[in-house]
Amino acid sequence: DAGVIQSPRHEVTEMGQEVTLRCKPISGHDYLFWYRQTMMRGLELLIYFNNNVPIDDSGMPEDRFSAKMPNASFSTLKIQPSEPRDSAVYFCASSGTSGGPLGANVLTFGAGSRLTVL
Amino acid sequence: AQSVTQLDSHVSVSEGTPVLLRCNYSSSYSPSLFWYVQHPNKGLQLLLKYTSAATLVKGINGFEAEFKKSETSFHLTKPSAHMSDAAEYFCVVTRKTSYDKVIFGPGTSLSVIP
Repeated sequence: DAGVIQSPRHEVTEMGQEVTLRCKPISGHDYLFWYRQTMMRGLELLIYFNNNVPIDDSGMPEDRFSAKMPNASFSTLKIQPSEPRDSAVYFCASSGTSGGPLGANVLTFGAGSRLTVL
Repeated sequence: AQSVTQLDSHVSVSEGTPVLLRCNYSSSYSPSLFWYVQHPNKGLQLLLKYTSAATLVKGINGFEAEFKKSETSFHLTKPSAHMSDAAEYFCVVTRKTSYDKVIFGPGTSLSVIP
């Protein structure tokens, strides 16, 4: 397996523009997580899905952020409109119940998408 | 409720000397505990995990951690630091065998001096 694949790796955009980040989880994993990492706030869980259904989105900062998982192999995180304070590295991670109880919560992370909003 | 405290935001050691990264947790449930490592400009990688088998857990690259329930600690150690160990380390807690929220600590940056 190629692991968790995120795109783009780097994105530079101007304030007010729409940003879409993409994630392909590991095949067979039924949990998908979106995290944001900044120097000031560390790693923050934004939202997570189970079997394509959003379970907890309490970490989504505000209505400008939205996330979807239309199928088991694809998820998007959208920011519209973007603001400079959204600049961060956004990580997608997945995990799967196929590992049994001992596999629970073992997250495999993508390489991240570094977003810069000017 | 669950939370994680990493007592040191930055640790600096000389190459070949022991490493100790401290982690304390709080959990209303029986916890699963993990350490992840993040090298510069990379994603996070699992180092080791504790899920209530042995309290001393061995991970990759010579790291190990000991679960001490009485102290609510899960400190990460390595007998001899290598230059390639320089990275950010995250302690993580979650509910055992559950797919509940995974709570990351703030991270400890490890520097290794030649």
